[in-house]
Amino acid sequence: QVQLVQSGAEVKKPGASVKVSCKTSGYTFTTFAIHWVRQAPGQGLEWMGWINAANDKTTLSQKFQGRVTITKDTSARIAYMDVSSLTSEDTAVYYCARYGSGSLYSFDVWGQGTLITVSS
Amino acid sequence: SYELTQPPSVSVSPGQTASITCSGDRLGDKFISWYQQKPGQSPVVVINQDRQRPSGIPERFSNSKSGNTATLTISGTQAMDEADYYCQTWESLTVVFGGGTKLTVL
Repeated sequence: QVQLVQSGAEVKKPGASVKVSCKTSGYTFTTFAIHWVRQAPGQGLEWMGWINAANDKTTLSQKFQGRVTITKDTSARIAYMDVSSLTSEDTAVYYCARYGSGSLYSFDVWGQGTLITVSS
Repeated sequence: SYELTQPPSVSVSPGQTASITCSGDRLGDKFISWYQQKPGQSPVVVINQDRQRPSGIPERFSNSKSGNTATLTISGTQAMDEADYYCQTWESLTVVFGGGTKLTVL
């Protein structure tokens, strides 16, 4: 079955960077985009950006431009998201989700989430 | 920036109909999806492309649109439907989520 499995929780100090991975299986990797969405404790969903798995094109929310990088390893079927210059406001659960015509243009499969805690 | 507005909370009695609204400029011209999220879980899509229910989503979930407002309707609400609900659309090649609505079944 289709699965998105994310890397484990991390604790980071302010100013550090973190890289979250999203390993996919059960479908043709290049036929769906991978999006990243985060959720701060007790808050709503916040879209961060996406990568077109068929090429290297990425689009980021204006809020995260310059601080977030989304990449992929097509052969390994993994998408990555790097967040730099972390602050306490980046403490959140980070989700990857697939999107495409095959999912009727919705986020039909989500990763389990990765908790990133930023604390000194 | 583009915004989708949802009520923070909605309450409904078991067996009754719950309605959750989502408003945004020109929403009538856009496709909308709805997601259900239960505590400690990843979101699940319950409506895509305005009206489609993914496989496994009960028929009691439906969406309608009027002008700039979309309404997720849950008919015959069950205790298991208690969750947070988020609407989602696209604007200028970026994804926008509503702020979320906490549905309480009591």
